[in-house]
Amino acid sequence: DVKVTQSSRYLVKRTGEKVFLECVQDMDHENMFWYRQDPGLGLRLIYFSYDVKMKEKGDIPEGYSVSREKKERFSLILESASTNQTSMYLCASSSDRGSGNEKLFFGSGTQLSVL
Amino acid sequence: GESVGLHLPTLSVQEGDNSIINCAYSNSASDYFIWYKQESGKGPQFIIDIRSNMDKRQGQRVTVLLNKTVKHLSLQIAATQPGDSAVYFCAEKTAGGFKTIFGAGTRLFVKA
Repeated sequence: DVKVTQSSRYLVKRTGEKVFLECVQDMDHENMFWYRQDPGLGLRLIYFSYDVKMKEKGDIPEGYSVSREKKERFSLILESASTNQTSMYLCASSSDRGSGNEKLFFGSGTQLSVL
Repeated sequence: GESVGLHLPTLSVQEGDNSIINCAYSNSASDYFIWYKQESGKGPQFIIDIRSNMDKRQGQRVTVLLNKTVKHLSLQIAATQPGDSAVYFCAEKTAGGFKTIFGAGTRLFVKA
């Protein structure tokens, strides 16, 4: 089975801190994604990556950056955490070979609270 | 912009009954549709998908129906069980695209 592992289940940080959220997948997937999930808003795409060292902005990239130095690892970075970044963060991967029909495999999520 | 929305935020059904969760989408260019299930404390998990050249697809106890004329998607769960209690998301993609667009989700409650 595909496994997407997020390094922390819960995180509590202070406003202004730099925050790293780590995600690792073990299925050699080309594509990796970071979503945030807020009640009533569904899942919103922050950033994604379709190859090592490649990154693309999603729908809500402001205040975030990403890093993909290795194929299996995709990191989300909050340069200066703010209270409105309190949310559930979900990492996902997919093996999309151009057909557009590949499903996402999600990690269990990181609940981040910024105080 | 594109959006995928749900008609009802919550659905309560009796154990053993059939459940129907509805979804409306607005992007005519979308040609791949997916349903995900999210249980408490877990990430979303794939349930079933359908391509735009199909109207219906069946899985184990689940059926997805696609009506492209009115841009409507539904998930039917047969003989709903307590383990089906979760939030269900519909999602859409376009061929060759990387982005999956999610709806807001429907919470399904199963009453024993």
